[in-house]
Amino acid sequence: NAGVTQTPKFQVLKTGQSMTLQCAQDMNHNSMYWYRQDPGMGLRLIYYSASEGTTDKGEVPNGYNVSRLNKREFSLRLESAAPSQTSVYFCASSEEERQNTEAFFGQGTRLTVV
Amino acid sequence: AQSVTQPDIHITVSEGASLELRCNYSYGATPYLFWYVQSPGQGLQLLLKYFSGDTLVQGIKGFEAEFKRSQSSFNLRKPSVHWSDAAEYFCAVGATTGANNLFFGTGTRLTVIP
Repeated sequence: NAGVTQTPKFQVLKTGQSMTLQCAQDMNHNSMYWYRQDPGMGLRLIYYSASEGTTDKGEVPNGYNVSRLNKREFSLRLESAAPSQTSVYFCASSEEERQNTEAFFGQGTRLTVV
Repeated sequence: AQSVTQPDIHITVSEGASLELRCNYSYGATPYLFWYVQSPGQGLQLLLKYFSGDTLVQGIKGFEAEFKRSQSSFNLRKPSVHWSDAAEYFCAVGATTGANNLFFGTGTRLTVIP
């Protein structure tokens, strides 16, 4: 089972460039999430999608956009990358809307903005 | 608002020794509580979770955690640590009502010495 798959695993961007991080899950989960992980700050929620066709802001949404393309896929877009967006990004999914069931995480995308 | 505190940034233990990782949470009602483990370069894996009922919960890899409402704590324990337990450990609290979110602590990095 692949679980949650993120691409790419590593990326270096120049300030002002745009890119899309891809995430796909094969567990037929309704809810999907994007987090960023920064040293000393744990994981913080950027955006989430409770179900196909819906998206909502999390704790740190500024500078990002998301698309829930279908039930399997949830992408995160940086329109104009900034050095402050250097981070490790994790996609996750869960069966239910509230994360009171197990959340499954991808292996992460390490993004550096120079 | 929910919050999670992991007071120990880094803990070093000898292989075979016991382990306790501390977690304190702030939440108005009975929360959903989780412990996740992150091995280097990997995503997060659920170790155990508490929703209700027995306050001592068992997880994978020989870990257990105890929910203590009076102390707002959910400490993770293992009686005998193995070298493969070296990783970063995250405590998280989930909302039981309202907004969909999972709040993570800043993590505790565990080093195991032979």
